[in-house]
Amino acid sequence: GESVGLHLPTLSVQEGDNSIINCAYSNSASDYFIWYKQESGKGPQFIIDIRSNMDKRQGQRVTVLLNKTVKHLSLQIAATQPGDSAVYFCAEHLQAGTALIFGKGTTLSVSS
Amino acid sequence: DAGVIQSPRHEVTEMGQEVTLRCKPISGHNSLFWYRQTMMRGLELLIYFNNNVPIDDSGMPEDRFSAKMPNASFSTLKIQPSEPRDSAVYFCASGQGNGELFFGEGSRLTVL
Repeated sequence: GESVGLHLPTLSVQEGDNSIINCAYSNSASDYFIWYKQESGKGPQFIIDIRSNMDKRQGQRVTVLLNKTVKHLSLQIAATQPGDSAVYFCAEHLQAGTALIFGKGTTLSVSS
Repeated sequence: DAGVIQSPRHEVTEMGQEVTLRCKPISGHNSLFWYRQTMMRGLELLIYFNNNVPIDDSGMPEDRFSAKMPNASFSTLKIQPSEPRDSAVYFCASGQGNGELFFGEGSRLTVL
């Protein structure tokens, strides 16, 4: 699979590979993190979230890892499919009642 | 189950004209957010409301921008007068205060 260092704007993978998208967040006090997927012409859609008291959470084909020591978040997509092609954003939430702050997106391109 | 509804989906206007973007949040959500998305700056928070009350408008670019939430089911973002640099996709999102946001499809604004 492909592994991306701290935020690259684009990632190209072959269908069936595993993808890893990285994100560095800014505030050590952030308590909640979300990965969003945005397809062309649409609004961001929730993929998976993780609270700061966890370091890993798994969904269907997706896993989010949180490393609070270095303020790093990653999204792993297993067996990447062409339908996974989109822009992926990480977002952090500082505290209850506040807004999500979004990172720069990573464009994932999956070729058959 | 209807999601966040935004209108118009596309608007093309001339510099100096007033623009009004509309949003209907998901029923039962008590927080509403306006974001702007451009290639250069990504997703930027403009303003958000909790229980119809504006909480943080520090992201509003300048006095030409204003937002209102007269009731729990409706919000507007107004630009007057509009300028070419306001061209962007404007997203409305709603949430229940736990961090997760649900986005609308966006309003693509082009100011000529």
